[in-house]
Order: sequence, then structure tokens, then C-alpha cells
Amino acid sequence: AQSVSQHNHHVILSEAASLELGCNYSYGGTVNLFWYVQYPGQHLQLLLKYFSGDPLVKGIKGFEAEFIKSKFSFNLRKPSVQWSDTAEYFCAVKDSGGGADGLTFGKGTHLIIQP
Amino acid sequence: EAGVTQSPTHLIKTRGQQATLRCSPISGHTSVYWYQQALGLGLQFLLWYDEGEERNRGNFPPRFSGRQFPNYSSELNVNALELEDSALYLCASSFENRGPSGNTIYFGEGSWLTVV
Repeated sequence: AQSVSQHNHHVILSEAASLELGCNYSYGGTVNLFWYVQYPGQHLQLLLKYFSGDPLVKGIKGFEAEFIKSKFSFNLRKPSVQWSDTAEYFCAVKDSGGGADGLTFGKGTHLIIQP
Repeated sequence: EAGVTQSPTHLIKTRGQQATLRCSPISGHTSVYWYQQALGLGLQFLLWYDEGEERNRGNFPPRFSGRQFPNYSSELNVNALELEDSALYLCASSFENRGPSGNTIYFGEGSWLTVV
């Protein structure tokens, strides 16, 4: 079975600071990787995804993530955060072969950006 | 294009009752997933339906059940409600592509279930 670990449950940053949220997964096969964001009072939205090819993927709102296969990691980054980035961030993994485990989420990181 | 739609938005039930939540996937999507998002517990996988069949279920008791209809819409039923079932129930859908190009899973806005 696959699992996802997000290292930080709560992160507080000031505006313009750089962000890196850690995500490690455990799975022996080929995976699809995702970061989702949930803004206060809103539904889950896809930030970015990795299926194959270039391990550095760019998403919406200036976010990017790098897939490092040897480290089983898919960390989320943003060079300069804004107050509007305050949200809950979820890393997720899925067996790309269509395995029965579906999409597995980490427990989420609550990001607070102070103005 | 319409996204994943869920109903009702909010539902209040008393302990011991049954709750039924509904989900319509994005047009063309054949897979539907159900997740429970309880306060402090993150997103817990409940059920996965694909082409009308249950593909997998998470670590939840049998009183959580569901089905997928021929039009790929889905229903989640929770019997004998308990207070701890109070949560946001999220439905998601995807086109189940087993090839290397993968697939993206899109979420609805959820149904808030409150058990009193």
C-alpha cells in the first residue's frame, strides 16, 4: 500500500518569504504525484501534478514542485509567498498503473502567511 | 464544463439515522472517489468506484457503503450514524487512464454532514 508523509503540519511565514513544503511517499511502483490546495471555505483545487518527463513541474500561482525519485520526494516550492497563499496544502500519490489504492493523501500542511 | 457536483451541501442528522450523499462526476469521467475530511484527521479515503464496480474501500466500517450508477453518478450511504461521522464528505472524479499519461482527479465542494 502507498503512503504519504508531509513533514510540517503548521507553517507560518511572512509575506515575500520563500516556501518549501516537504512531501515523501512510500510506494514501490510508478506513481503520479499531486499537490492540492484548499483555501479557507473552498474546495480542493489542483495546484500541480507530475506524471512523467521533466521532474520539475510548474503549477498555478507561481508554485512548483520537484520529483526526486531516489528520495521518494515531491516537495512544493514558491520563491515569494503572498498573504493569499494562506491555505491547507495536501500532497497526494496515485499508482500510475491504475492500482486499487486510488489516491492517497498526506495529512496536510496548514500554511499561514502573515502580512 | 461543469465540475464535480455534490448534494446536499449541508445535512444534519441525529445519531442512529441514515445519511445519503450524492455525487455527479465530470462528464466523461468513469471513476468516482469518496473521502472523509474530519477535523484534524486530514483526508481519509472511503471508497473508489470505476465503471460501476467498487474497486477499493478504505479502513471504514461496513455501515459506510455506496454505489455507482450506469451514468457514473454515485451515492454514499452512512447507516447508524455516530457523532464522530460529522465531517466534510468529498467526492472526486477522474477518467481512469491506466496508461503512462496518468490521470487527474478533480474534487467537488463537498457535503457537510453534522450528526447531533
